[in-house]
Amino acid sequence: DIQMTQSPSTLSASVGDRVTITCRASQSISSWLAWYQQKPGKAPKLLIYKASSLESGVPSRFSGSGSGTEFTLSISSLQPDDFATYYCQQYNSFPPTFGGGTKVEIK
Amino acid sequence: EVQLVESGGGLVQPGGSLRLSCAASGFTFSSYAMHWIRQAPGKGLEYVSAISSAGGSPYYANSVQGRFTISRDNSKNTLYLQMGSLRAEDMAVYYCARRYCSGGSCYSAYDYWGQGTLVTVSS
Repeated sequence: DIQMTQSPSTLSASVGDRVTITCRASQSISSWLAWYQQKPGKAPKLLIYKASSLESGVPSRFSGSGSGTEFTLSISSLQPDDFATYYCQQYNSFPPTFGGGTKVEIK
Repeated sequence: EVQLVESGGGLVQPGGSLRLSCAASGFTFSSYAMHWIRQAPGKGLEYVSAISSAGGSPYYANSVQGRFTISRDNSKNTLYLQMGSLRAEDMAVYYCARRYCSGGSCYSAYDYWGQGTLVTVSS
């Protein structure tokens, strides 16, 4: 199985900050990477697919980049609604695998 | 509006069985492969099982192979997960999820998720 490693595991930031989360794959996954946002007690929500494509309805302050083994999720100006846990997921090969998550906390 | 509603979770003893259901609405269920994904308390997400749109080609994570069975009834727009020989490490919230499709192809990332159903394995 492809291993997905996210960093940092926890990130403290303030409203208005630019934040970046990194996801690394144990082998090349081309651009077959998705990012999700999850809030406590809720299901994950798809933010980005194919590494950089914004899901419909997702604010443009979210962006994704990367290919191969290294990817980033950026939030250009953190909003109160963005404090949550973020997961990357590869779907280049079966089984799909997820990163361990990055919790974005209020500083 | 696309909706996925899981049910069937609950408390079960180690070694016991449980059947989860996922009722789908708002889209052509029979056109989509569907997956089960779980999340242990305070932990990350783990793929569990998948089934094709027609009900064939089931896939299972190694951790549940031989103990869980995925199925679907397209006439009832419902996905199932029959879980057996349950262990403490199976305790989790179980989500059903729809694969996303783009440009005429579908991929194993998920654009719609249910609210989840909690499975507790304890004596």
